[in-house]
Amino acid sequence: DGGITQSPKYLFRKEGQNVTLSCEQNLNHDAMYWYRQDPGQGLRLIYYSQIVNDFQKGDIAEGYSVSREKKESFPLTVTSAQKNPTAFYLCASRPRQGYGEEKLFFGSGTQLSVL
Amino acid sequence: RKEVEQDPGPFNVPEGATVAFNCTYSNSASQSFFWYRQDCRKEPKLLMSVYSSGNEDGRFTAQLNRASQYISLLIRDSKLSDSATYLCVVNKGSGTYKYIFGTGTRLKVLA
Repeated sequence: DGGITQSPKYLFRKEGQNVTLSCEQNLNHDAMYWYRQDPGQGLRLIYYSQIVNDFQKGDIAEGYSVSREKKESFPLTVTSAQKNPTAFYLCASRPRQGYGEEKLFFGSGTQLSVL
Repeated sequence: RKEVEQDPGPFNVPEGATVAFNCTYSNSASQSFFWYRQDCRKEPKLLMSVYSSGNEDGRFTAQLNRASQYISLLIRDSKLSDSATYLCVVNKGSGTYKYIFGTGTRLKVLA
């Protein structure tokens, strides 16, 4: 079955630690996204990538880093510089423009908490 | 002004009721519009894309009003299973990959 897989489902971070959230898709989508969701708030864009080896900062990129070495994979690292990392993190993807409807497909999310 | 605005609710309605949500957007160049459904601590799932001519899928009807810059979602004959948060999503503009999410409208259907 095609889809987006995020792991782990739950992640705990200690103070001063970097952690990496995994996102893999087998939908052959070009564009991939990372969003953060806080309780009672909408999704906010952290980073997005339109193509392999290219990515752009979203609205709240500070304290986060990404890489896009393969089309299928878009891992997100939450660095120690992110002072308030507790949130629900969602990865999404979509086809290249003109190659299907421009809707987002989501992974099941990772809940990150600070110990 | 927020780029995409929704009434957070909650909307508490009895089973069988008809309920409507609106969502306003500020960027007149926005091209694509969607309604997503999100259950607590789960990923958003696409409910409907919203087309200029309006579209219907079973009990759900979505409409777009470009002149007033809002989209709407109508749910008829509400079921208990419709209880969720409904997110309005707008693509920022032609040729862009950026989507803006509303904060969501919470719906609770009561027995």
